[in-house]
Amino acid sequence: NAGVTQTPKFRILKIGQSMTLQCTQDMNHNYMYWYRQDPGMGLKLIYYSVGAGITDKGEVPNGYNVSRSTTEDFPLRLELAAPSQTSVYFCASMYKGGDTNTEAFFGQGTRLTVV
Amino acid sequence: GENVEQHPSTLSVQEGDSAVIKCTYSDSASNYFPWYKQELGKGPQLIIDIRSNVGEKKDQRIAVTLNKTAKHFSLHITETQPEDSAVYFCAASRGGGGNKLTFGTGTQLKVEL
Repeated sequence: NAGVTQTPKFRILKIGQSMTLQCTQDMNHNYMYWYRQDPGMGLKLIYYSVGAGITDKGEVPNGYNVSRSTTEDFPLRLELAAPSQTSVYFCASMYKGGDTNTEAFFGQGTRLTVV
Repeated sequence: GENVEQHPSTLSVQEGDSAVIKCTYSDSASNYFPWYKQELGKGPQLIIDIRSNVGEKKDQRIAVTLNKTAKHFSLHITETQPEDSAVYFCAASRGGGGNKLTFGTGTQLKVEL
């Protein structure tokens, strides 16, 4: 199993450009998440999905969009990059069934700089 | 929504000493409390977790305690080793609502020789 795979690992964007951060998992997890991590601030939830075709906003969704057309993939889209979106982005997945859930598995992260 | 506070933000211990990191949460409905270790340049990795029907859980040198009444939980690392040096995050979530994890702000642990 590869687990959670994120691409790219690093990216520099100019203000106003757009890009998609890719995330795929091969564990057949139903829940997937996007977090951003800023220095000294922990991880903040951007968007999440409880299954294919279902997405919902997290704590800091402005400036981002997501889609979940398959169980495996959960891409994060930045339409008009701004310096405030400079951060490290982590994708995570979890399986939840009934009252139980697995741990959340995280990808290696994408370090994004907007200049 | 849930709010998780974590202390201290940095912690330096001598090799072999114990380290304790504390977190408090605000949502009394939270019932799952994981701890993650993040090494430089990597994603967070689960080291131990506890559910609200348990007061303490141990795994070798690592233990977590939970006080539901006071809404706080702690990570205890005994006999610290240099490889324990990393950033540690606590988190909390409730069963519904997408099982969203709310994270603390992290503790940079440094184990000195």
